[in-house]
Amino acid sequence: GDSVTQMEGPVTLSEEAFLTINCTYTATGYPSLFWYVQYPGEGLQLLLKATKADDKGSNKGFEATYRKETTSFHLEKGSVQVSDSAVYFCALSLRSNDYKLSFGAGTTVTVRA
Amino acid sequence: NAGVTQTPKFRVLKTGQSMTLLCAQDMNHEYMYWYRQDPGMGLRLIHYSVGEGTTAKGEVPDGYNVSRLKKQNFLLGLESAAPSQTSVYFCASSAGTQYFGPGTRLLVL
Repeated sequence: GDSVTQMEGPVTLSEEAFLTINCTYTATGYPSLFWYVQYPGEGLQLLLKATKADDKGSNKGFEATYRKETTSFHLEKGSVQVSDSAVYFCALSLRSNDYKLSFGAGTTVTVRA
Repeated sequence: NAGVTQTPKFRVLKTGQSMTLLCAQDMNHEYMYWYRQDPGMGLRLIHYSVGEGTTAKGEVPDGYNVSRLKKQNFLLGLESAAPSQTSVYFCASSAGTQYFGPGTRLLVL
């Protein structure tokens, strides 16, 4: 079945450090790929998405590129801030599966000043 | 444009009581979903709907019922609440990308 594997963490960084969270997927067909972020006590917010191979999603300084050849969608940010402390979820969906999301386990990121 | 809203935000129930959680979306999305999230865990799909008048089971449907009488609303019902249903419940809607509501925290004593 469809599945997502992401680096589980937790990850602790200093402010202005480089962040990367690895995400790989298995899917039948051509999924759309997403990164969601969940701040403490809040719901999931869409951070970025990509719908086809080689697409790059970007938002708030975060980037991820849809790599079909390596079935990956790694999240990167060049200089993190304390406000980036959150749980990050990688996910995929397929129209053929009613756009249901298959989530990774989530990665807790803590950024220290 | 409020996106996805959920009511109530927080509720305490006693075992055996019933309640309904309401999800509303103003994006004219066909697809709607109900999830639960337990501490330290990801989201698990309870039920979902692919359009007005339709419902389907997700990963953890037992103990819950749903209805989608209007396109913009998706109701989640607990007929007889159990402590194991203490959780945070999230609703989402989609036209290809899922957008989530702020959540309802439910405590069953």
